[in-house]
Amino acid sequence: AQRVTQPEKLLSVFKGAPVELKCNYSYSGSPELFWYVQYSRQRLQLLLRHISRESIKGFTADLNKGETSFHLKKPFAQEEDSAMYYCALSGGNQGGKLIFGQGTELSVKP
Amino acid sequence: EPEVTQTPSHQVTQMGQEVILRCVPISNHLYFYWYRQILGQKVEFLVSFYNNEISEKSEIFDDQFSVERPDGSNFTLKIRSTKLEDSAMYFCASKRGGNSPLHFGNGTRLTVT
Repeated sequence: AQRVTQPEKLLSVFKGAPVELKCNYSYSGSPELFWYVQYSRQRLQLLLRHISRESIKGFTADLNKGETSFHLKKPFAQEEDSAMYYCALSGGNQGGKLIFGQGTELSVKP
Repeated sequence: EPEVTQTPSHQVTQMGQEVILRCVPISNHLYFYWYRQILGQKVEFLVSFYNNEISEKSEIFDDQFSVERPDGSNFTLKIRSTKLEDSAMYFCASKRGGNSPLHFGNGTRLTVT
């Protein structure tokens, strides 16, 4: 079964602390993994995709096929990082739908 | 930067009524999607649309739901006879194709009373 699991509903850290938002997936083929972010009252925005292997706003995520994980990390959290973060996977075909995790609310306190 | 736009932002309707949620995808995009998010739950795929036909739909997308791209710019989701459990945030999304990223609209909050 295709599934994305984000075990933490809420993650609260202080400004400057490291952040890791966990994401595990279940998929029989070779999925494409994404992180989407939703700031308060705004649309879902693509943050990262594993094939790009880039760092956006200081966030990185590495696909670990052995552990079927795609955790999102940032070494020093900022208050403006406070948002909902959704991990998602796609089957990789052109019209492929996205399967989302439950989302993790990141709260960065001053 | 072009955006996916959705109207209305909030729609309130009575149970049993028909609703049409409207979306204008980004103009050169070829793949169109509807997702929904019931309060407190995950974002769920409803339907994908390509080349003027449904390419995939979920179990949620039953006979009460339909999609249309009537004029080459709008992409609509119709719910024929709304139920209380249809209350959710509905997101439209589009993408150019291939490996291009999915762009989401701001969503329409549907409240069925």
